[in-house]
Amino acid sequence: QKEVEQNSGPLSVPEGAIASLNCTYSDRVSQSFFWYRQYSGKSPELIMSIYSNGDKEDGRFTAQLNKASQYVSLLIRDSQPSDSATYLCAASTGGGNKLTFGTGTQLKVEL
Amino acid sequence: NAGVTQTPKFQVLKTGQSMTLQCAQDMNHNSMYWYRQDPGMGLRLIYYSASEGTTDKGEVPNGYNVSRLNKREFSLRLESAAPSQTSVYFCASSEAAGGGGYTFGSGTRLTVV
Repeated sequence: QKEVEQNSGPLSVPEGAIASLNCTYSDRVSQSFFWYRQYSGKSPELIMSIYSNGDKEDGRFTAQLNKASQYVSLLIRDSQPSDSATYLCAASTGGGNKLTFGTGTQLKVEL
Repeated sequence: NAGVTQTPKFQVLKTGQSMTLQCAQDMNHNSMYWYRQDPGMGLRLIYYSASEGTTDKGEVPNGYNVSRLNKREFSLRLESAAPSQTSVYFCASSEAAGGGGYTFGSGTRLTVV
């Protein structure tokens, strides 16, 4: 069973701080990694993708990938209350571009 | 641009009833997927279709069937609903060749009593 693991949280950070979300995966052949944001009662929304080792930045978001350690992270700079949501990590597995999702980390940004 | 459209948004079924969840995408994506999301379990793949004309089982296919009607549409059928199928169901699509992420529909909240 290929797994993607995340700490369920909640992770609480003050407004303006950096939120750090972490994820590990078990399938060494995974090539593609994604972070989704899901607000309560809504569908997941893709916010970051990363395919090679290192950092990838997009606005306030930075995704980090370390394939040797099978570790993916998401940093959110200058956290805002609107960032409060559940963040899902996903890794590609097998053919057909299937994704395996973690159970998500709940982030709370406090005023 | 509608993206991925799912119907219905809410449904209550009695045990043993059948129903079909509909999904359509207008992004010309090759691959489509059905997931269910349960508290503490995350998103689990039920069935997927890598391309028009093909379907394959995912992690939790028992009790479900699917049909890839054409490139746009991918339906999920519950033949005899059970309380264990109470869940939120999401349809998603992706451009498989690029290995890109999914675009999700808005979901169907299904309750089986």
